[in-house]
Amino acid sequence: GAVVSQHPSWVICKSGTSVKIECRSLDFQATTMFWYRQFPKQSLMLMATSNEGSKATYEQGVEKDKFLINHASLTLSTLTVTSAHPEDSSFYICSARENEQFFGPGTRLTVL
Amino acid sequence: LAKTTQPISMDSYEGQEVNITCSHNNIATNDYITWYQQFPSQGPRFIIQGYKTKVTNEVASLFIPADRKSSTLSLPRVSLSDTAVYYCLVGGGTASKLTFGTGTRLQVTL
Repeated sequence: GAVVSQHPSWVICKSGTSVKIECRSLDFQATTMFWYRQFPKQSLMLMATSNEGSKATYEQGVEKDKFLINHASLTLSTLTVTSAHPEDSSFYICSARENEQFFGPGTRLTVL
Repeated sequence: LAKTTQPISMDSYEGQEVNITCSHNNIATNDYITWYQQFPSQGPRFIIQGYKTKVTNEVASLFIPADRKSSTLSLPRVSLSDTAVYYCLVGGGTASKLTFGTGTRLQVTL
């Protein structure tokens, strides 16, 4: 099946700093990618839909100025968590769709 | 988006067949039904997808009745490594977003 990668796989940062997470579709082009967040023992929650060449579409309750999404090419979308705080600590997962939706391995963000 | 309902958890012994049923009463005409498996600290992994009737691949079968208001994922002869959370999702189109429900936590023991 298609492969979606994420980088980094984990990151620890200080409160107030910004963190960028990359999502790449390795063997197919994706005009649309999705970003999810998952807290421990909970389900995945869709944060936003990333559209190549246009603005991302955010789900209700997700701050677009805090979670910046850039989809500059057909194989790369980035999520930047700005001014991160401990409550932003979570597991961030991206996905991209070919025939089915393929998910990346996730990025564990810990904000101290 | 169609809402899905699954059992929160299930237990099974190794070697048994496991059937996980998902209800999706307001599924739309162009919606497909997709099942994913997720291990801790990993992204979800695609298992199987179907529209109606029965679909089978090398790891699972998916049964969908004629009214499509429910679906059943069947895992034959589960092993300990099948312990995971299984999600049933309903959606359609190549760019449509998927909404995850609570999922079913399957625990397989000896």
